[in-house]
Amino acid sequence: EIVLTQSPGTLSLSPGERATLSCRASQSVRSNYLAWYQQKPGQAPRLLIYGASSRATGIPDRFSGSGSGTDFTLTISRLEPEDFAVYYCQQYGGSPPWPFGQGTKVEI
Amino acid sequence: QVQLVESGGGVVQPGGSLRLSCEASGFTFSGYGMHWVRQAPGKGLEWVAFIPYDGSNKYYADSVKGRFTISREDSKNTLYLQMNSLRPEDTALYYCAKALPGGACGYWGQGTLVTVSS
Repeated sequence: EIVLTQSPGTLSLSPGERATLSCRASQSVRSNYLAWYQQKPGQAPRLLIYGASSRATGIPDRFSGSGSGTDFTLTISRLEPEDFAVYYCQQYGGSPPWPFGQGTKVEI
Repeated sequence: QVQLVESGGGVVQPGGSLRLSCEASGFTFSGYGMHWVRQAPGKGLEWVAFIPYDGSNKYYADSVKGRFTISREDSKNTLYLQMNSLRPEDTALYYCAKALPGGACGYWGQGTLVTVSS
């Protein structure tokens, strides 16, 4: 089973700054089937990025995903106040299980 | 628009059973795979189970294999999760999610809370 490790655990930034979140897989992710989700307190998660770099419907272009193989990155180019949240990666290549990473909290 | 509404959560004793439901609307339910994902209080997301659009195979996390069963009833646009032999560590908010064609969790419900406690 692939294990996903996200870093850092917490990212302390200010509005307007750039955020770079990392997700490293223990084995190569097949077909780069790697997704990123955002979760705010008391809310369900929301899909941001799928296929490592494709933005989901309605997601602002300040969110971008990159990477391949075992190393993936979510970049938020300029943080807006509503972007402070927890972010999870998930690999869904090959047969399940399809685990999530442990999450990165982006805080002010 | 896509709507997913979970129900069936509650308080159950260890060893007990519950059946969760997820009623879908706003899309052709029979054409999409569906996930169950859970989140223990204050913890991260844990993928639980997946059923393809045709129900041909069912997949489970090791932590629930042999105890939980995912199923679907397309005539009712409803996804189910039958949970048996429940343990305290199964306590969590359970979400259903609509899979994108590749498998990512494209749309999520608001979740239903399961508490396993004596």
